[in-house]
Amino acid sequence: QKEVEQNSGPLSVPEGAIASLNCTYSDRGSQSFFWYRQYSGKSPELIMSIYSNGDKEDGRFTAQLNKASQYVSLLIRDSQPSDSATYLCAVNINSGGSNYKLTFGKGTLLTVNP
Amino acid sequence: EAGVTQFPSHSVIEKGQTVTLRCDPISGHDNLYWYRRVMGKEIKFLLHFVKESKQDESGMPNNRFLAERTGGTYSTLKVQPAELEDSGVYFCASSPRTSGSGQYFGPGTRLTVT
Repeated sequence: QKEVEQNSGPLSVPEGAIASLNCTYSDRGSQSFFWYRQYSGKSPELIMSIYSNGDKEDGRFTAQLNKASQYVSLLIRDSQPSDSATYLCAVNINSGGSNYKLTFGKGTLLTVNP
Repeated sequence: EAGVTQFPSHSVIEKGQTVTLRCDPISGHDNLYWYRRVMGKEIKFLLHFVKESKQDESGMPNNRFLAERTGGTYSTLKVQPAELEDSGVYFCASSPRTSGSGQYFGPGTRLTVT
């Protein structure tokens, strides 16, 4: 079982719709969860962090965390063509070493169609 | 505030040669990380510095890789001798002292070993 799993997509949504991106993780002890956006050929850009169960909203973005079910999701409301990118889920997984290191999923490619 | 910078942006070397990558973290960030993404795979952790000390180097592939962070400022990652499988994008990231805080990525160095 992979430590962090995401659907690779591509996920295609029309402009103005809600895009829903999902991520599951294997380590129940994980405490910190992050969503990164990566445009083609660019570096990952931190867009959301979440640490507690429930929802966290920031502008058009909402991160949702359910530790009991070991999943974290990202909702993008009013999707824009500029949101088209790969979205990476990253988790601090405690594996005996540093609890700072991030474990990434492979990412979900989102395309927002005008 | 300047972000994480990396140099060079792209390096093409022959198998057996040596390459040194440099990373300048965000000013004041004690934590510095190196990650790598090989084609088709997820971003993988290599190592973590806290100031000048290596906190976790569990992700380093083998002893051909050497990372340093003299004086707790910039860091270098040297690959000697390079092998074909070392090709990929090497990202550096930094974060403040607080455990579990988000990490900010640099633009990456694309390394091609021929």
